[in-house]
Amino acid sequence: LAKTTQPISMDSYEGQEVNITCSHNNIATNDYITWYQQFPSQGPRFIIQGYKTKVTNEVASLFIPADRKSSTLSLPRVSLSDTAVYYCLVGDSGSNYQLIWGAGTKLIIKP
Amino acid sequence: SAVISQKPSRDICQRGTSLTIQCQVDSQVTMMFWYRQQPGQSLTLIATANQGSEATYESGFVIDKFPISRPNLTFSTLTVSNMSPEDSSIYLCSVDGSSGAHTDTQYFGPGTRLTVL
Repeated sequence: LAKTTQPISMDSYEGQEVNITCSHNNIATNDYITWYQQFPSQGPRFIIQGYKTKVTNEVASLFIPADRKSSTLSLPRVSLSDTAVYYCLVGDSGSNYQLIWGAGTKLIIKP
Repeated sequence: SAVISQKPSRDICQRGTSLTIQCQVDSQVTMMFWYRQQPGQSLTLIATANQGSEATYESGFVIDKFPISRPNLTFSTLTVSNMSPEDSSIYLCSVDGSSGAHTDTQYFGPGTRLTVL
């Protein structure tokens, strides 16, 4: 099972683009990369998932280089409400959901 | 996406007692999961609950301490037995969301905040 490494915390300002990078050096061929967001007193919420290259949805973009040993979650034009903890996970449908939840990145957006 | 509710949302209990946490989903799901999250910490998977079979526990968690029921495809319970202050935590229920385009995605309930005195 692949373990991920993320920065413990990041600060940014409203209106800025925020990029959070996650390293997963031992990612397996069948592993997907998934990002979750968690607000205080709530369960994590799925943000985006990708396998390679770039994925974009209405909330974020996910950039994955060719070697897939890292990935970058990009949040465009953040607002105060984006202050949360962001988790990067890797796993596949054959892992029986034994995903390893790292410490996550605490993102603080300032006015 | 699935909508998940948990009861109770929070509780304060005395050591040595037990608490049963309920998880209700608005649609039928194959797999349900129970997690523990210490305040300010990451999530730790306790067990996977499948309907019609015994739950599968992760290393460090045992059925006598955390018995789980899964009577149907929309409901599960987790009991925290013989509680001690070390059991104070947030307990989260989640369900498999992989029926769509994503794999290994989960939808989480709001959590149950347990304090043991």
